[in-house]
Amino acid sequence: DTGVSQDPRHKITKRGQNVTFRCDPISEHNRLYWYRQTLGQGPEFLTYFQNEAQLEKSRLLSDRFSAERPKGSFSTLEIQRTEQGDSAMYLCASSRWTGGTYYGYTFGSGTRLTVV
Amino acid sequence: GQQVMQIPQYQHVQEGEDFTTYCNSSTTLSNIQWYKQRPGGHPVFLIQLVKSGEVKKQKRLTFQFGEAKKNSSLHITATQTTDVGTYFCAGISGGYQKVTFGTGTKLQVIP
Repeated sequence: DTGVSQDPRHKITKRGQNVTFRCDPISEHNRLYWYRQTLGQGPEFLTYFQNEAQLEKSRLLSDRFSAERPKGSFSTLEIQRTEQGDSAMYLCASSRWTGGTYYGYTFGSGTRLTVV
Repeated sequence: GQQVMQIPQYQHVQEGEDFTTYCNSSTTLSNIQWYKQRPGGHPVFLIQLVKSGEVKKQKRLTFQFGEAKKNSSLHITATQTTDVGTYFCAGISGGYQKVTFGTGTKLQVIP
């Protein structure tokens, strides 16, 4: 088990372009989360999946953001028509969930997005 | 919505001094977790507290969960340079199924 993997590590894109990030969680974990973190701030929740079902999406998230986890394994986060305000570190995390029992999250190293 | 605040925002200590960060939630929490993020790194899970008044220790780190389950603290005894980083508390409450991270306390240890 190599932990949570995220790809790419860095992405520079021009404003208005679409970008897609990938996350491979720990295989035994059935929950996968996406967070966004800007400099000096705590991680901000975006969305999460249990297996392949997307159970919650932040109300702060615009319609330009979409996430999928088609087979309950890896996940992708797509941002359409990027804006400079989207520049941030995008963190993926996974955890176990056994019905009422919470476990700590294992985070990936993140994808740093810069929109120019 | 759920809000989790931490104080102080920054703390500089001499190596060997103690350090404490405090976490306060706007709502009663069912669980609280603590994470450490080294400079340039990602958050790493340290511990989870579940019971009212619970105290847990990890070597020089002591974690407490308040009686009302609305606050928590992390105390580090005799800080070392390896303790440098930002410490986040993260709470779960009500019907929320994911953790809400606090604002973090950035610790700098001066050798």
